[in-house]
Amino acid sequence: QSVLTQPPSVSAAPGQKVTISCSGSSSNIGSNFLSWYQQLPGTAPKLLIYETNKRPSGIPDRFSASKSGTSATLGITGLQTGDEADYYCGTWDSSLSAVVFGGGTKLTVL
Amino acid sequence: QVQLQESGPGLVKPSQTLSLTCTVSGGSIRSGGYFWNWLRQRPGQGLEYIGYIYYTGSTYYSPSLRSLVTISVDTSKNQFSLRLNSVTAADTAVYYCARGGESHRLSWYYFDFWGPGALVTVTS
Repeated sequence: QSVLTQPPSVSAAPGQKVTISCSGSSSNIGSNFLSWYQQLPGTAPKLLIYETNKRPSGIPDRFSASKSGTSATLGITGLQTGDEADYYCGTWDSSLSAVVFGGGTKLTVL
Repeated sequence: QVQLQESGPGLVKPSQTLSLTCTVSGGSIRSGGYFWNWLRQRPGQGLEYIGYIYYTGSTYYSPSLRSLVTISVDTSKNQFSLRLNSVTAADTAVYYCARGGESHRLSWYYFDFWGPGALVTVTS
């Protein structure tokens, strides 16, 4: 059971927009920075977003993220078949004194 | 561009010790500024954080694994290592090493460069 809650799967058509939610509590999302990762099949995770809404160099602006209270959202616009992957959110939990992740969301581009 | 590569045995017997090494290239652990981390992913499961080491040897371990894990660093080889004691089948996973965010920042707990991962299977 993951500390952060993500929907198991989401889907959308090519060119469309999709959002992936990440829900937590005041001790994690509510008080700490969030990061998001994309994991293509058979590969290591790739950092998409850090410090809640910042994109590393090389990550296109089709990827964006935000946070409100104890929930966060990753948005992907202009969906491409290459975006099919598992997406994970992660943060620090101040009560657990631990790095925690969501269970992951599988994105299908129909 | 920082690159990381895990290495070590792919098979470990139950109750024995899992040992992996991460070799860093394109950046120096000794130069400081970043935490060097281990994470794992059980088959078909999500990410689990194990711990980090700083070039000084300072460590942090996840509370759930603290009693079983040791992370060490060899700055002369630009490597850091993971030891996990008394393994069981539940420790079968892909183990990743990764660079964390800047160590002076409160937001250090993101991971920007990852190794490809090393599958370790615990089996008799």
